[in-house]
Amino acid sequence: GDSVTQMEGPVTLSEEAFLTINCTYTATGYPSLFWYVQYPGEGLQLLLKATKADDKGSNKGFEATYRKETTSFHLEKGSVQVSDSAVYFCALSIQGAQKLVFGQGTRLTINP
Amino acid sequence: DAGITQSPRHKVTETGTPVTLRCHQTENHRYMYWYRQDPGHGLRLIHYSYGVKDTDKGEVSDGYSVSRSKTEDFLLTLESATSSQTSVYFCAINPGGSSYNEQFFGPGTRLTVL
Repeated sequence: GDSVTQMEGPVTLSEEAFLTINCTYTATGYPSLFWYVQYPGEGLQLLLKATKADDKGSNKGFEATYRKETTSFHLEKGSVQVSDSAVYFCALSIQGAQKLVFGQGTRLTINP
Repeated sequence: DAGITQSPRHKVTETGTPVTLRCHQTENHRYMYWYRQDPGHGLRLIHYSYGVKDTDKGEVSDGYSVSRSKTEDFLLTLESATSSQTSVYFCAINPGGSSYNEQFFGPGTRLTVL
């Protein structure tokens, strides 16, 4: 079945460090890929998305590129801030299925 | 702001009691979803709806039922709550029913079953 695997957390970095959170997927069709972010005590917010191979999603300094050959959608940011501390979820959706499949989430903590 | 509210936001109940959680949206979107969030599992789909009185099961539907009698409200019911249903529950909507299935989430309900 369709599934998403994220790197194990928690991840702790210092402010201004480079961030990578790995995400790989298994899908039977041609999925759309998403990153969601959850700040403490809140619901999930869509951070970025990519709907076809080689698309790059970007938002708030975060980027992720849809790599079909490696079935990956890694999240990156060049210089993190304390305010980026949150839980990040990678997710996929198969066209027509009207459902999202989530990874287990990666907790990120940024220290000043 | 996707115009989604959930009620209650927090609830503590005892094993064996019925519990109903409400999700309300203000923009008449067709697709609505209920998820539960547990450590190490991410979000898992319980049930979803694709219109009034049209619902389907997700991957963890056992012990849960849903109803949608109006476009704006999607109710999740635990007929007889168990401790394994202690979780944070999120409602979501799909604003376009699009092929990309972009979803937007409510603030969540934290349920504790003692």
